[in-house]
This record gives sequence, structure tokens and C-alpha cells, in this order.
Amino acid sequence: KQEVTQIPAALSVPEGENLVLNCSFTDSAIYNLQWFRQDPGKGLTSLLLIQSSQREQTSGRLNASLDKSSGRSTLYIAASQPGDSATYLCAAPNTGFQKLVFGTGTRLLVSP
Amino acid sequence: NAGVTQTPKFQVLKTGQSMTLQCAQDMNHEYMSWYRQDPGMGLRLIHYSVGAGITDQGEVPNGYNVSRSTTEDFPLRLLSAAPSQTSVYFCASSYGGGADEQYFGPGTRLTVT
Repeated sequence: KQEVTQIPAALSVPEGENLVLNCSFTDSAIYNLQWFRQDPGKGLTSLLLIQSSQREQTSGRLNASLDKSSGRSTLYIAASQPGDSATYLCAAPNTGFQKLVFGTGTRLLVSP
Repeated sequence: NAGVTQTPKFQVLKTGQSMTLQCAQDMNHEYMSWYRQDPGMGLRLIHYSVGAGITDQGEVPNGYNVSRSTTEDFPLRLLSAAPSQTSVYFCASSYGGGADEQYFGPGTRLTVT
């Protein structure tokens, strides 16, 4: 059974800093992993989808990595900006592919 | 493309009332699903559909009903609202299934008093 956890629950950094968000999963036979951003009171915006055959996926200042052997994915944000402040969620499909299993998210605050 | 749309954005119900949350997508996605998001519990799957005419239960289906008469629409019905159904509801869709990239709607914030 796939379980996903995210630590820490909250992170506060000054503007300009590079930062890493962590996501752990229990089933190494992971098919893919998706990172989302959620702004307060809003829906989920897909940031990156990384397939199990990939080690990294990049979009602008975002870089996601996937290490199946260690059960970890990281989301690297370069040169953080106040507009990056949001909750970041990672999710992986369950074994039967009926649903996504979500972590509880990391709430990021980037201060000017 | 409008993507995934949901209506209403906010709703207040009294215990025992029924209502339908609407979800539509214009991406010709076969797979659609409903999640609820509660503090400390993350997102949990309520119901999902792999195509028109086909629906199945997720992990928290009690008190909810769905149907899928078209590819575009996937309404969620609350049969008799209870305070425990106070939550934020998200509809999602993808091309091929639960393992494909998921696109989420903006959500419906429901309060049951």
C-alpha cells in the first residue's frame, strides 16, 4: 500500500534562497509522482510529473527528482520569490491506479 | 480550454438537505474523480469514473452519489447533508486514469450546519 509523507509541514525562508521540499513514499514500485501547488482557498495546480523511468524533471526554476530505491522525491526551487509562497503537495498513484495518494503538504512562506 | 470547472464555489446547507456539486471538463478526459480535503487528513477519494456510464467508489463514498452520463460531466450528489460533510471538494480529470497527470478544478467549499 502506497503511503506518502511530507516533512516539514511548514518552511519559512528569505527571498532569493534556494530550497528543497521533501516527499517520501513507501512503495518503491512507484509508477510516477506528481507535485502540486495549492494557494490558500484555491485548487491544486500541477507543477511537475516525474515518471518512474526518469530521475529528474525540470520546469523553469523548479526541479523534481525521484529516487525509487530510497523512497524519496525532492522539489528544488531556485532563487525563491514571495510569489512562491503556497502549500506544495506531492502525490503518487495507488497500486490499482484508481487514485492519487497525497502527502499532507509543506506550507512554504518566502519573505521579502 | 477552460480545463476543469466546478460550481458552486461556496455553499451552505442545513443538515438533511440535498444538493449537487457540478464538475465539467473540456479536455476529453476519460477519467474523472472527486476528492474531499480536510485539515490534517489530506485529500481523500470519494468516487471516480473511468468513462461515461462507469463509476466506482473511492475510500470515503458514504453519503455521496455520482453518475457519468457524458464524458464532460461528473456531478457529485449529497443525498442528506451532515455536518461531517463540511469540507472542500475537488474534482479532477486525466486522460487515461489515476496514474496519468491529474488536473484539478478550483474546488467547492461546503459548510453543513
